[in-house]
Amino acid sequence: KQEVTQIPAALSVPEGENLVLNCSFTDSAIYNLQWFRQDPGKGLTSLLLIQSSQREQTSGRLNASLDKSSGRSTLYIAASQPGDSATYLCAVLYQKVTFGTGTKLQVIP
Amino acid sequence: SAVISQKPSRDICQRGTSLTIQCQVDSQVTMMFWYRQQPGQSLTLIATANQGSEATYESGFVIDKFPISRPNLTFSTLTVSNMSPEDSSIYLCSSISTDTQYFGPGTRLTVL
Repeated sequence: KQEVTQIPAALSVPEGENLVLNCSFTDSAIYNLQWFRQDPGKGLTSLLLIQSSQREQTSGRLNASLDKSSGRSTLYIAASQPGDSATYLCAVLYQKVTFGTGTKLQVIP
Repeated sequence: SAVISQKPSRDICQRGTSLTIQCQVDSQVTMMFWYRQQPGQSLTLIATANQGSEATYESGFVIDKFPISRPNLTFSTLTVSNMSPEDSSIYLCSSISTDTQYFGPGTRLTVL
């Protein structure tokens, strides 16, 4: 059974800092890994999708990496802004999607 | 990409009643999914809604409690039956298009 863990569970940083969110999964047999953002009381917004054959994907200030063999992914956020405050979820897809436990990020102005 | 809408966006219901949540996708998709997100928790898959056949339920979820319809490739409903306060959650529908998973805005359900 796939298990997905995210560390840390919560993170508070001052505006402008670069930060890394971590995602670990127990079964390396995945099709892809996806990072989402969830604002309080809202649905999920897809940020980045990494196919199992890829090592990283970039979108603006976001960079996601994937090391399938070690069961790890990181989401790097450069020059954080207060608008980045949200919960970040990673999810792995293999036949079905398994979500991580989430990291709640607060960027302090 | 796929744009997904849900109705209602939120509801407050009495114990013992049922609520049906609608999910509409702007394009035809093979697979649609229903998730539950309890307060402070991550998402848990309830079931996969299959067009033309019964939904496939995950462990811990049963059809009598969460009946699902999928009449065509763009629409699905989830009913939360005989509700109790423990059913208070956000319910989200989702679809996969070109390996990317898209989500509706969610339905926030409060059961009194």
